Amino acid sequence: ETGVTQSPTHLIKTRGQQVTLRCSSQSGHNTVSWYQQALGQGPQFIFQYYREEENGRGNFPPRFSGLQFPNYSSELNVNALELDDSALYLCASSLSGVTDTQYFGPGTRLTVL
Amino acid sequence: EDQVTQSPEALRLQEGESSSLNCSYTVSGLRGLFWYRQDPGKGPEFLFTLYSAGEEKEKERLKATLTKKESFLHITAPKPEDSATYLCAVRGGGADGLTFGKGTHLIIQP
Repeated sequence: ETGVTQSPTHLIKTRGQQVTLRCSSQSGHNTVSWYQQALGQGPQFIFQYYREEENGRGNFPPRFSGLQFPNYSSELNVNALELDDSALYLCASSLSGVTDTQYFGPGTRLTVL
Repeated sequence: EDQVTQSPEALRLQEGESSSLNCSYTVSGLRGLFWYRQDPGKGPEFLFTLYSAGEEKEKERLKATLTKKESFLHITAPKPEDSATYLCAVRGGGADGLTFGKGTHLIIQP
């Protein structure tokens, strides 16, 4: 069984740029959720994708967007980067309709200068 | 709005000294309460899911319990390798994502 993987591991961008983060869900899982974790804080829910559509969103602006592909992998896109976007971005996968338990990947550390 | 408060924020124990971490929550229609362990710079590692008051789950030195307002993570005879941040999260009936607390940073000294 393959766990959740994310790429890249680390990323440095400058303010105003755009970034794309990638996630491969755990084998057999059909739902992907994205979270932002600032230093010293718990993860905050950004959005969730199921059957290639966004079906839930937290309190994040529209410049945070995503995609889910037929193989259940996913992308998180952030436009017009701000300094406060510096954080660990976590992807989690789950099997909707069977369990609410989410399994997390190792994360992507984004630094915005 | 779902809310999770964890206490204490940090806890330092001697090896073998048992203790409990607290997670207080308010949620509309609990669909699950989750405990995760997180090492520095890594993603959260799943520990337990609890669904209803009175439920208990155990794994090695850890035991999680649930009431209608809070959950406890009991650590029995901890070892230095148990040092980590322990996160509690809930999923409410009206939510699609998990709501996390800030975590308890646990340090076990040899």
